[in-house]
Amino acid sequence: DVKVTQSSRYLVKRTGEKVFLECVQDMDHENMFWYRQDPGLGLRLIYFSYDVKMKEKGDIPEGYSVSREKKERFSLILESASTNQTSMYLCASSLIGAQMYTEAFFGQGTRLTVV
Amino acid sequence: KQEVTQIPAALSVPEGENLVLNCSFTDSAIYNLQWFRQDPGKGLTSLLLIQSSQREQTSGRLNASLDKSSGRSTLYIAASQPGDSATYLCAVPSYNTDKLIFGTGTRLQVFP
Repeated sequence: DVKVTQSSRYLVKRTGEKVFLECVQDMDHENMFWYRQDPGLGLRLIYFSYDVKMKEKGDIPEGYSVSREKKERFSLILESASTNQTSMYLCASSLIGAQMYTEAFFGQGTRLTVV
Repeated sequence: KQEVTQIPAALSVPEGENLVLNCSFTDSAIYNLQWFRQDPGKGLTSLLLIQSSQREQTSGRLNASLDKSSGRSTLYIAASQPGDSATYLCAVPSYNTDKLIFGTGTRLQVFP
C-alpha cells in the first residue's frame, strides 16, 4: 500500500516562528503536493512539485515556501508563522503524467495552530 | 476554469439506507475522477478512481459512476452503516496537469 506520512499530527507554534512541515512517501511518486483545508473554503493547493528540486506555485503560495531535495520528501516551510496560517495541512503524492491511472494518496494531516 | 460542486452538502440517514452522493464538474475534458473519504480531523482516504474511459467502478458496497458528457459522477453507497459517517469528496485533475481540483464535500451521518 502507498504510504504518505506527515511528521506531526498536531503542532502549536508562536507567531513569527519558522515552521517546517515534513512529508514522506514510499511509492517513488514523482508528484507531491501541499494543500491546506479550512472550513467553508475546502482544499486549496499551496505548492506542487513534479520532480526533485522542481516546484510550482499553487493557488495560495503567499507566506509559504517548499523544499524537495529528495524524491520521497517534500517540506512545507512557513517563513514567519501568522495566526491566519492556523489550518489543517495535507500532503499528497501521485505518479506523474496527468493520465487516467494517476491516483493521489494523502497523508494523515497536520493540524497547525499559530498563537 | 474547472469547477467541482457536490450536492448535498450534508446528509443524515438511518442505518441500512442506500445513498447517492453527487459530484458535478464544468469541464468534461477530464482524465479521471477520484472519490475520497475524510474522517473528522484526519487526512483523505482514496476510495475509488474512475478513469475517463470507464462508466463505473466498484469497491465493496461502493459504486462510482461517471458521465463525462453531462459532467457528473455519483457515488452510490449500499446498505449504509454508522461507520460510513464521514465527509466524502470528489476531485478531478486540472486540465493537462496532475493537480487536483476538489469539490466542497458531502458530510454524511448514518445513525443507528
